Amino acid sequence: QQQVKQSPQSLIVQKGGISIINCAYENTAFDYFPWYQQFPGKGPALLIAIRPDVSEKKEGRFTISFNKSAKQFSLHIMDSQPGDSATYFCAARGYGGATNKLIFGTGTLLAVQP
Amino acid sequence: EPEVTQTPSHQVTQMGQEVILRCVPISNHLYFYWYRQILGQKVEFLVSFYNNEISEKSEIFDDQFSVERPDGSNFTLKIRSTKLEDSAMYFCASSPAWGYTFGSGTRLTVV
Repeated sequence: QQQVKQSPQSLIVQKGGISIINCAYENTAFDYFPWYQQFPGKGPALLIAIRPDVSEKKEGRFTISFNKSAKQFSLHIMDSQPGDSATYFCAARGYGGATNKLIFGTGTLLAVQP
Repeated sequence: EPEVTQTPSHQVTQMGQEVILRCVPISNHLYFYWYRQILGQKVEFLVSFYNNEISEKSEIFDDQFSVERPDGSNFTLKIRSTKLEDSAMYFCASSPAWGYTFGSGTRLTVV
């Protein structure tokens, strides 16, 4: 119930292509779904986030699509660039009053080839 | 842009020793967290801290771990007697209510 399942584990995309990473969850109490980008040796950096009352959110080349009934959400990176090569984590927040902890997916290692 | 600052960036310690990892969260944030990431694995929740007390802890956060906010600005994670399996990146994060800002982490190596 507290898990967030992420796929694929790794992804290779050509420069200019679309990168798509998928996540699924079980707990309907999750109320905030962020995506994080992590470069080696660095902490996760918030990329984009969505609330469950919205089906899509776009910020620049990054789009989250959210399907509440299927309990799935995905990250689309348009016009992928070599600088986007990083590990991407989806996450979900379980609203529990004083906690607000994030549950992370297992990560996707994205490599964008020039 | 405000940052979460963690020190040291890398700590090497002998098994059985105590370590203290330090964090300076963003000043107007209310929630504070420690997460752990074993090399090549996902980021795992350790503990959350709100209103000067632990609000939730994971099963990883056993009696060897403790957290403190000693002076209103620092937030520390203490590991009392380190084990080899404690080797990981430890991330501090803080949050107002929505959104989290993570520090760059402390790489803890237990030898």
